[in-house]
Amino acid sequence: DTAVSQTPKYLVTQMGNDKSIKCEQNLGHDTMYWYKQDSKKFLKIMFSYNNKELIINETVPNRFSPKSPDKAHLNLHINSLELGDSAVYFCASSPPRRGGHSPLHFGNGTRLTVT
Amino acid sequence: AQSVSQHNHHVILSEAASLELGCNYSYGGTVNLFWYVQYPGQHLQLLLKYFSGDPLVKGIKGFEAEFIKSKFSFNLRKPSVQWSDTAEYFCAPPGGILTGGGNKLTFGTGTQLKVEL
Repeated sequence: DTAVSQTPKYLVTQMGNDKSIKCEQNLGHDTMYWYKQDSKKFLKIMFSYNNKELIINETVPNRFSPKSPDKAHLNLHINSLELGDSAVYFCASSPPRRGGHSPLHFGNGTRLTVT
Repeated sequence: AQSVSQHNHHVILSEAASLELGCNYSYGGTVNLFWYVQYPGQHLQLLLKYFSGDPLVKGIKGFEAEFIKSKFSFNLRKPSVQWSDTAEYFCAPPGGILTGGGNKLTFGTGTQLKVEL
């Protein structure tokens, strides 16, 4: 069973459209994240939720709206897509922070291409 | 936010060569650091981690890293690389982000390692 699964794997869409990416983890982790990886492989944190509560929002445009219906799911909705949104989006989860020992478990990524 | 510094952006080695990838940080507090590896077309996976205790930690596939507090470094090493080690390597704090005392530390910019036959 895949620990962190995200769908779809590939997403090609036109500018101005609205799209969603779904993420689910079956590890029982409390914290989930969305990361954006650009063409230079730079990994930037976008959001983090802990037990359905938003704890990190790293200056992401408000066209991006995360939603966490429960602690096992963190979906990402993007409105009015722009060319610059093209990237690979990774969902990740981590167990409760115990003295800082919280490695991330990543999903396989969603490659978003905006044309 | 300040990212962990990985000065080697692209490294090309021949098989059997020794590897050392730099990771430096600037943070006014206790730091734990991890190394992640991303093979071509795949997601990131944990390679090794430092919490406390012995500053020399060993990870999977023969990798090791040494946490040197006085140098604010956590360099990744491998005595003899293989073609299959070709990947992107990231140094990062726990959870990918560390905040506290007005400081913030995030993922390193990554080092692309290419091992040639």
